[in-house]
Amino acid sequence: DVKVTQSSRYLVKRTGEKVFLECVQDMDHENMFWYRQDPGLGLRLIYFSYDVKMKEKGDIPEGYSVSREKKERFSLILESASTNQTSMYLCASSFPGTGTDTQYFGPGTRLTVL
Amino acid sequence: RKEVEQDPGPFNVPEGATVAFNCTYSNSASQSFFWYRQDCRKEPKLLMSVYSSGNEDGRFTAQLNRASQYISLLIRDSKLSDSATYLCVVNRAGNQFYFGTGTSLTVIP
Repeated sequence: DVKVTQSSRYLVKRTGEKVFLECVQDMDHENMFWYRQDPGLGLRLIYFSYDVKMKEKGDIPEGYSVSREKKERFSLILESASTNQTSMYLCASSFPGTGTDTQYFGPGTRLTVL
Repeated sequence: RKEVEQDPGPFNVPEGATVAFNCTYSNSASQSFFWYRQDCRKEPKLLMSVYSSGNEDGRFTAQLNRASQYISLLIRDSKLSDSATYLCVVNRAGNQFYFGTGTSLTVIP
């Protein structure tokens, strides 16, 4: 059974803090993704990675960075958290392929920035 | 224009009813199509992939119309446990997935 875990379910941070969100998958997937989900906007892709040390910007990368030093781990970093980054953050992983592959999601981290 | 558009609902239906959701996508180069289910405060989970010829999984039937660029999900004999948000997902060549905002379904006893 595929398992994607995220370091925290709930997180409260203050404006200006540096925030690390960790994601680990145990299925040896090449692809990993970070999304944020907001009411009325759906899931929006922040960054994705298709290999170790590789990363690609998604639709809303501003204010975020990522790190993929090991295949199983993909970190999302908020360099200086702002209130508009309060959101649900979802990590996902998948095998690469022609697009028929399934994405498996972690349970999400609900981040509140005060 | 959004990549994927869905009617947000909510759809409130009685148990046993049949309900259908549609979703349109804007890019004709889209290659793969999925329906995901998301329960309240939980992560999305794959419900079913959508194939060109249409496909069925128990009470769920998915259809794809490439000419009109829409996909549909039909749920027959609705159960209380079907209450959730249903996300339409589209993938173009490459690794990017595009999600609709979801359609909310509540099945009423």
